[in-house]
Amino acid sequence: DIQMTQSPSSLSASVGDRVTITCRASQNITTYLNWYQQKPGKAPKLLIYAASSLQSGVPSRFSGSGSGTDFTLTISSLQPEDFATYYCQQSYSTPRTFGQGTKVEIK
Amino acid sequence: QVQLQESGPGLVKPSETLSLTCSVSGGSINNYYWSWIRQPAGKGLEWIGRISTSGNTNYSPSLQSRVTMSVDTSKNQFSLNLNSVTAADTAVYYCAREISAASGRYFDLWGRGTLVSVSS
Repeated sequence: DIQMTQSPSSLSASVGDRVTITCRASQNITTYLNWYQQKPGKAPKLLIYAASSLQSGVPSRFSGSGSGTDFTLTISSLQPEDFATYYCQQSYSTPRTFGQGTKVEIK
Repeated sequence: QVQLQESGPGLVKPSETLSLTCSVSGGSINNYYWSWIRQPAGKGLEWIGRISTSGNTNYSPSLQSRVTMSVDTSKNQFSLNLNSVTAADTAVYYCAREISAASGRYFDLWGRGTLVSVSS
């Protein structure tokens, strides 16, 4: 199985801050990397697919980058509705695997 | 728009079989892979497996011995059976659609999730 490791596990930030979350794969996954946002009691929502493609309807303050084993999700200016948990997920091979999540909290 | 809805018992006894169905409305089930993903309370997401509309399956190695998935294209539904459950199988279970295209492979559509508790 491909292991996905996110860092940090949690972070505190203020509205307007630039936030960066990293995700590392245990082997080369080229750009088969997706990012999801999950709010309490809700299903995950796709933000970024193929490492850097913005899903339709997702605000442009979200961006993704990386290839191979190292990836980044950036929120350019954190908004109140962005406080949530974020997960990376590899789709290079089965079993599909997720990172452990990064909880973004209000500072 | 296409929507997914999980259904099934919310309580299952230990050693019995957990059975869930995902109904796809607003669009066709054909030509996609359909996955089950679960999330224990306060924990992360775990992929259980997937099925194509032609019946091809891939399961998580950690659950493979206990999982069976099926699809009924005439009803626009797919199902999950997980046998010999224990308390460790208590979780919110999601169904999800996986897009597989030149642009990438990703879960673009999710059900709202259904909580299944394993308890006597």
